[in-house]
Amino acid sequence: DQQVKQNSPSLSVQEGRISILNCDYTNSMFDYFLWYKKYPAEGPTFLISISSIKDKNEDGRFTVFLNKSAKHLSLHIVPSQPGDSAVYFCAAEGGRGSTLGRLYFGRGTQLTVWP
Amino acid sequence: DGGITQSPKYLFRKEGQNVTLSCEQNLNHDAMYWYRQDPGQGLRLIYYSQIVNDFQKGDIAEGYSVSREKKESFPLTVTSAQKNPTAFYLCASSPPLAGSAYNEQFFGPGTRLTVL
Repeated sequence: DQQVKQNSPSLSVQEGRISILNCDYTNSMFDYFLWYKKYPAEGPTFLISISSIKDKNEDGRFTVFLNKSAKHLSLHIVPSQPGDSAVYFCAAEGGRGSTLGRLYFGRGTQLTVWP
Repeated sequence: DGGITQSPKYLFRKEGQNVTLSCEQNLNHDAMYWYRQDPGQGLRLIYYSQIVNDFQKGDIAEGYSVSREKKESFPLTVTSAQKNPTAFYLCASSPPLAGSAYNEQFFGPGTRLTVL
């Protein structure tokens, strides 16, 4: 059963506009969330993260928002660039205890930024 | 340069053969992980190891085996019992949990396994 869900398999955005990628989770024990970016035939690279004690984290063009009550997070990319075209994975970490620090990944969203 | 290496990049095998995928890291990380990626499936955890000589099954361990004899190495064997082995395999590692506030995982470049 997917504990981390990315319900949009693809997103297409024009260059310069905002890209918003969404992620939902079901496990209230998750206390850390990460976004990874992946190009074809390469390993994912870490993009940005957020702790459950925060509701926003910003790094340059990338901002992640967390709504704990809704168990929802989103990644905003502003402005979007063609080089941002990749698959974006949302991941959650359950902290200490039952999940032993492992990450749970969503199925990914393919972002395409067109000129 | 510190990082994670996986070899080979592309691997072909005949049905019924076992094959071992290599994963080496020089980041001094304690934990290592194996995932497989299939189209539309995201990253699914096969096995993970948090310390040398210890490992645990992930969500899809059937048909796979691992060993962790050295901190730097975590090879994955895809056995003939794995019914659908063609996939992109990713290895990752992470620093000790006690030393960091979160568990960021660092990934290798992956191995594309094709069963003929």
